[in-house]
Amino acid sequence: TQLLEQSPQFLSIQEGENLTVYCNSSSVFSSLQWYRQEPGEGPVLLVTVVTGGEVKKLKRLTFQFGDARKDSSLHITAAQPGDTGLYLCAAQPSSNTGKLIFGQGTTLQVKP
Amino acid sequence: NAGVMQNPRHLVRRRGQEARLRCSPMKGHSHVYWYRQLPEEGLKFMVYLQKENIIDESGMPKERFSAEFPKEGPSILRIQQVVRGDSAAYFCASSLRGGTYEQYFGPGTRLTVT
Repeated sequence: TQLLEQSPQFLSIQEGENLTVYCNSSSVFSSLQWYRQEPGEGPVLLVTVVTGGEVKKLKRLTFQFGDARKDSSLHITAAQPGDTGLYLCAAQPSSNTGKLIFGQGTTLQVKP
Repeated sequence: NAGVMQNPRHLVRRRGQEARLRCSPMKGHSHVYWYRQLPEEGLKFMVYLQKENIIDESGMPKERFSAEFPKEGPSILRIQQVVRGDSAAYFCASSLRGGTYEQYFGPGTRLTVT
Protein backbone atom coordinates (compact mmCIF):
# COMPACT_ATOMS: atom_id res chain seq x y z
CA THR A 1 0.00 0.00 0.00
CA GLN A 2 1.35 3.39 -0.99
CA LEU A 3 1.13 5.93 1.80
CA LEU A 4 1.79 9.62 2.14
CA GLU A 5 2.91 10.74 5.59
CA GLN A 6 2.49 14.39 6.45
CA SER A 7 4.19 16.17 9.30
CA PRO A 8 3.46 17.88 11.49
CA GLN A 9 -0.22 17.02 11.90
CA PHE A 10 -0.95 20.27 13.76
CA LEU A 11 0.86 23.57 13.74
CA SER A 12 -0.07 26.72 15.64
CA ILE A 13 2.12 29.77 15.05
CA GLN A 14 2.07 33.55 15.34
CA GLU A 15 1.53 35.83 12.39
CA GLY A 16 4.82 36.60 10.67
CA GLU A 17 6.55 33.30 11.46
CA ASN A 18 7.85 30.90 8.83
CA LEU A 19 6.88 27.24 8.67
CA THR A 20 7.51 24.07 6.66
CA VAL A 21 5.17 21.14 6.12
CA TYR A 22 6.51 17.82 4.91
CA CYS A 23 5.01 15.04 2.82
CA ASN A 24 6.97 11.78 2.68
CA SER A 25 6.59 8.36 1.15
CA SER A 26 8.65 5.28 0.40
CA SER A 27 7.09 5.15 -3.06
CA VAL A 28 7.93 7.05 -6.21
CA PHE A 29 5.18 9.20 -7.68
CA SER A 30 4.71 10.57 -11.17
CA SER A 31 3.33 13.81 -9.74
CA LEU A 32 2.44 15.39 -6.42
CA GLN A 33 -0.11 18.04 -5.57
CA TRP A 34 -0.72 20.35 -2.64
CA TYR A 35 -4.26 21.34 -1.72
CA ARG A 36 -5.71 23.67 0.90
CA GLN A 37 -9.05 22.90 2.47
CA GLU A 38 -11.14 25.19 4.66
CA PRO A 39 -13.83 23.89 7.04
CA GLY A 40 -16.99 22.89 5.20
CA GLU A 41 -15.42 23.24 1.76
CA GLY A 42 -13.66 21.08 -0.79
CA PRO A 43 -9.89 21.00 -1.34
CA VAL A 44 -8.51 23.75 -3.55
CA LEU A 45 -5.54 22.88 -5.74
CA LEU A 46 -2.51 25.04 -4.95
CA VAL A 47 0.23 23.50 -7.08
CA THR A 48 1.35 20.40 -8.98
CA VAL A 49 4.97 19.29 -9.12
CA VAL A 50 6.12 16.75 -11.65
CA THR A 51 9.90 16.82 -12.04
CA GLY A 52 12.30 15.60 -9.36
CA GLY A 53 13.99 18.59 -7.69
CA GLU A 54 11.36 20.98 -8.99
CA VAL A 55 10.68 24.16 -7.00
CA LYS A 56 7.56 26.25 -7.51
CA LYS A 57 6.63 29.51 -5.82
CA LEU A 58 3.17 30.90 -5.25
CA LYS A 59 3.52 34.28 -3.55
CA ARG A 60 4.71 33.43 -0.01
CA LEU A 61 4.43 29.67 -0.57
CA THR A 62 7.35 27.60 -1.88
CA PHE A 63 6.83 24.00 -2.94
CA GLN A 64 9.61 21.52 -3.57
CA PHE A 65 9.53 18.01 -5.02
CA GLY A 66 12.30 15.69 -3.87
CA ASP A 67 14.95 14.57 -6.33
CA ALA A 68 13.73 10.97 -6.11
CA ARG A 69 10.07 12.03 -6.41
CA LYS A 70 9.21 10.41 -3.08
CA ASP A 71 8.74 13.49 -0.93
CA SER A 72 7.75 17.13 -1.00
CA SER A 73 7.72 20.18 1.21
CA LEU A 74 5.64 23.30 1.52
CA HIS A 75 7.28 26.36 3.04
CA ILE A 76 5.29 29.44 4.01
CA THR A 77 7.13 32.68 4.64
CA ALA A 78 5.70 35.32 6.98
CA ALA A 79 2.49 33.41 7.66
CA GLN A 80 -0.76 35.36 7.88
CA PRO A 81 -4.09 34.49 9.56
CA GLY A 82 -5.54 33.95 6.08
CA ASP A 83 -3.16 31.00 5.65
CA THR A 84 -5.08 29.10 8.34
CA GLY A 85 -6.50 25.85 7.03
CA LEU A 86 -5.88 22.18 6.32
CA TYR A 87 -3.02 21.52 3.92
CA LEU A 88 -3.12 18.22 2.05
CA CYS A 89 -0.57 16.60 -0.17
CA ALA A 90 -1.79 14.16 -2.79
CA ALA A 91 -0.05 11.99 -5.33
CA GLN A 92 -0.83 9.84 -8.29
CA PRO A 93 0.96 6.50 -7.86
CA SER A 94 1.33 5.88 -11.56
CA SER A 95 0.26 7.70 -14.65
CA ASN A 96 -3.19 7.24 -16.14
CA THR A 97 -4.86 5.71 -13.08
CA GLY A 98 -6.86 8.79 -12.20
CA LYS A 99 -6.65 7.88 -8.53
CA LEU A 100 -5.13 10.34 -6.07
CA ILE A 101 -3.71 9.21 -2.73
CA PHE A 102 -3.93 11.83 0.02
CA GLY A 103 -1.88 12.43 3.12
CA GLN A 104 -3.75 12.85 6.38
CA GLY A 105 -3.23 16.59 6.30
CA THR A 106 -1.57 19.33 8.34
CA THR A 107 -3.86 21.67 10.24
CA LEU A 108 -2.30 25.12 10.36
CA GLN A 109 -3.48 27.87 12.68
CA VAL A 110 -1.93 31.31 12.33
CA LYS A 111 -2.73 33.60 15.24
CA PRO A 112 -2.79 37.36 14.75
CA ASN B 1 -19.75 29.77 -11.58
CA ALA B 2 -18.00 27.20 -13.76
CA GLY B 3 -16.71 25.12 -10.86
CA VAL B 4 -17.67 21.62 -9.80
CA MET B 5 -21.18 21.59 -8.35
CA GLN B 6 -22.44 19.15 -5.78
CA ASN B 7 -25.87 18.80 -4.26
CA PRO B 8 -27.22 18.58 -1.78
CA ARG B 9 -24.58 20.19 0.43
CA HIS B 10 -26.03 18.49 3.48
CA LEU B 11 -28.07 15.29 3.58
CA VAL B 12 -29.60 13.58 6.59
CA ARG B 13 -30.83 10.01 6.27
CA ARG B 14 -32.12 7.45 8.74
CA ARG B 15 -30.50 4.04 8.87
CA GLY B 16 -31.80 1.85 6.05
CA GLN B 17 -32.71 4.71 3.70
CA GLU B 18 -31.06 5.50 0.40
CA ALA B 19 -28.76 8.46 -0.23
CA ARG B 20 -28.23 10.00 -3.67
CA LEU B 21 -25.40 12.45 -4.13
CA ARG B 22 -25.09 14.47 -7.33
CA CYS B 23 -22.07 15.99 -9.02
CA SER B 24 -21.90 18.25 -12.05
CA PRO B 25 -18.32 18.53 -13.33
CA MET B 26 -16.65 21.68 -14.53
CA LYS B 27 -17.72 22.77 -17.98
CA GLY B 28 -15.89 20.74 -20.59
CA HIS B 29 -14.73 18.07 -18.14
CA SER B 30 -15.82 14.52 -18.87
CA HIS B 31 -13.90 12.71 -16.11
CA VAL B 32 -15.33 12.49 -12.60
CA TYR B 33 -13.85 11.14 -9.38
CA TRP B 34 -15.53 10.50 -6.03
CA TYR B 35 -13.70 10.66 -2.70
CA ARG B 36 -14.86 10.14 0.87
CA GLN B 37 -13.55 11.97 3.93
CA LEU B 38 -14.41 10.26 7.19
CA PRO B 39 -14.17 12.22 10.45
CA GLU B 40 -10.52 12.52 11.54
CA GLU B 41 -9.36 10.72 8.39
CA GLY B 42 -7.94 11.82 5.08
CA LEU B 43 -9.60 11.77 1.70
CA LYS B 44 -9.98 8.28 0.25
CA PHE B 45 -10.53 7.54 -3.43
CA MET B 46 -13.73 5.69 -4.25
CA VAL B 47 -14.38 5.62 -7.98
CA TYR B 48 -13.34 7.17 -11.29
CA LEU B 49 -15.87 7.52 -14.09
CA GLN B 50 -15.95 8.77 -17.61
CA LYS B 51 -19.19 9.41 -19.47
CA GLU B 52 -21.17 6.14 -19.34
CA ASN B 53 -18.13 4.16 -18.14
CA ILE B 54 -16.65 3.16 -14.80
CA ILE B 55 -12.87 3.33 -15.20
CA ASP B 56 -11.68 2.43 -11.68
CA GLU B 57 -13.90 1.43 -8.78
CA SER B 58 -11.16 -0.06 -6.61
CA GLY B 59 -12.07 2.21 -3.68
CA MET B 60 -15.79 1.48 -3.65
CA PRO B 61 -17.22 -0.72 -0.88
CA LYS B 62 -18.39 -3.96 -2.45
CA GLU B 63 -21.97 -3.67 -1.26
CA ARG B 64 -24.57 -0.90 -1.13
CA PHE B 65 -22.49 1.65 -3.06
CA SER B 66 -22.82 2.39 -6.76
CA ALA B 67 -21.90 5.23 -9.09
CA GLU B 68 -22.85 6.33 -12.55
CA PHE B 69 -22.08 9.13 -14.97
CA PRO B 70 -24.70 9.08 -17.73
CA LYS B 71 -24.33 10.63 -21.14
CA GLU B 72 -26.62 13.46 -20.05
CA GLY B 73 -26.87 14.85 -16.55
CA PRO B 74 -24.78 14.75 -13.41
CA SER B 75 -22.78 11.91 -11.93
CA ILE B 76 -24.64 10.12 -9.14
CA LEU B 77 -23.18 8.34 -6.12
CA ARG B 78 -25.84 6.10 -4.62
CA ILE B 79 -25.70 4.52 -1.19
CA GLN B 80 -28.40 1.99 -0.40
CA GLN B 81 -29.50 1.02 3.12
CA VAL B 82 -27.25 3.57 4.78
CA VAL B 83 -25.59 2.80 8.11
CA ARG B 84 -24.08 5.16 10.69
CA GLY B 85 -20.59 4.38 9.40
CA ASP B 86 -21.51 5.97 6.07
CA SER B 87 -21.65 9.40 7.74
CA ALA B 88 -18.90 11.39 6.05
CA ALA B 89 -18.16 14.16 3.59
CA TYR B 90 -18.30 12.98 0.00
CA PHE B 91 -16.34 14.99 -2.55
CA CYS B 92 -16.53 14.93 -6.29
CA ALA B 93 -13.68 16.09 -8.51
CA SER B 94 -13.43 16.48 -12.26
CA SER B 95 -10.68 16.72 -14.83
CA LEU B 96 -10.39 17.72 -18.44
CA ARG B 97 -8.40 14.66 -19.44
CA GLY B 98 -8.40 11.15 -18.10
CA GLY B 99 -5.74 9.83 -15.76
CA THR B 100 -4.55 13.31 -14.98
CA TYR B 101 -3.46 14.83 -11.70
CA GLU B 102 -5.28 18.11 -12.43
CA GLN B 103 -8.44 17.36 -10.48
CA TYR B 104 -10.74 20.13 -9.29
CA PHE B 105 -12.96 19.48 -6.31
CA GLY B 106 -16.51 20.44 -5.50
CA PRO B 107 -17.66 21.71 -2.09
CA GLY B 108 -18.77 18.27 -0.97
CA THR B 109 -21.93 16.67 0.41
CA ARG B 110 -22.04 16.08 4.16
CA LEU B 111 -24.02 12.93 4.81
CA THR B 112 -25.32 12.30 8.31
CA VAL B 113 -26.97 8.99 9.11
CA THR B 114 -29.15 9.01 12.21
